[in-house]
Amino acid sequence: AQSVTQLGSHVSVSEGALVLLRCNYSSSVPPYLFWYVQYPNQGLQLLLKYTTGATLVKGINGFEAEFKKSETSFHLTKPSAHMSDAAEYFCAVSDQGDKIIFGKGTRLHILP
Amino acid sequence: NAGVMQNPRHLVRRRGQEARLRCSPMKGHSHVYWYRQLPEEGLKFMVYLQKENIIDESGMPKERFSAEFPKEGPSILRIQQVVRGDSAAYFCASSPFSGAEGYTFGSGTRLTVV
Repeated sequence: AQSVTQLGSHVSVSEGALVLLRCNYSSSVPPYLFWYVQYPNQGLQLLLKYTTGATLVKGINGFEAEFKKSETSFHLTKPSAHMSDAAEYFCAVSDQGDKIIFGKGTRLHILP
Repeated sequence: NAGVMQNPRHLVRRRGQEARLRCSPMKGHSHVYWYRQLPEEGLKFMVYLQKENIIDESGMPKERFSAEFPKEGPSILRIQQVVRGDSAAYFCASSPFSGAEGYTFGSGTRLTVV
């Protein structure tokens, strides 16, 4: 069965600093991997996804993630944090089927 | 092209009442997925429907919960005899095809049971 583990339910970074949100997954087949962002009282917005091909995936708002099969990881990064990046971020996995399985989320706090 | 529309945005029900949550998929999308988000939890899959068919209901509680996606009209998630533990945000996503690549999420319905 697939699962997703997000390390750190809360992460704080200073404005302008590197953002690194960690995600490890388990899947019995080559996975599809996703990062979603949720702003307060809103739905989920897709940041980026990996299906096949290039393992470094670029998304919206300057975020990117790298699929590392040997480490079963799909960490999300952004070189320089903005105040507007404060939100909750969800890593998710699908076994190329219909369902997406979500991690518990990481709330990102940006310090001025 | 309107996105996935969920209504109501907020719903308050007393214990024992029924809750009906509606999801209108994007135009051209015939696949609908429902998820539930509890406080401090990620989203948990509940059910996957195509028009007039339930494809996967492995995440649905066995009692009190049901879902439908009729030929005409929105998808409905129905919760009978609500209890406090049903308080959560319920999200639906639609897709033009089966498969996780095509998901678009709605803004959710926040159910509060008092």
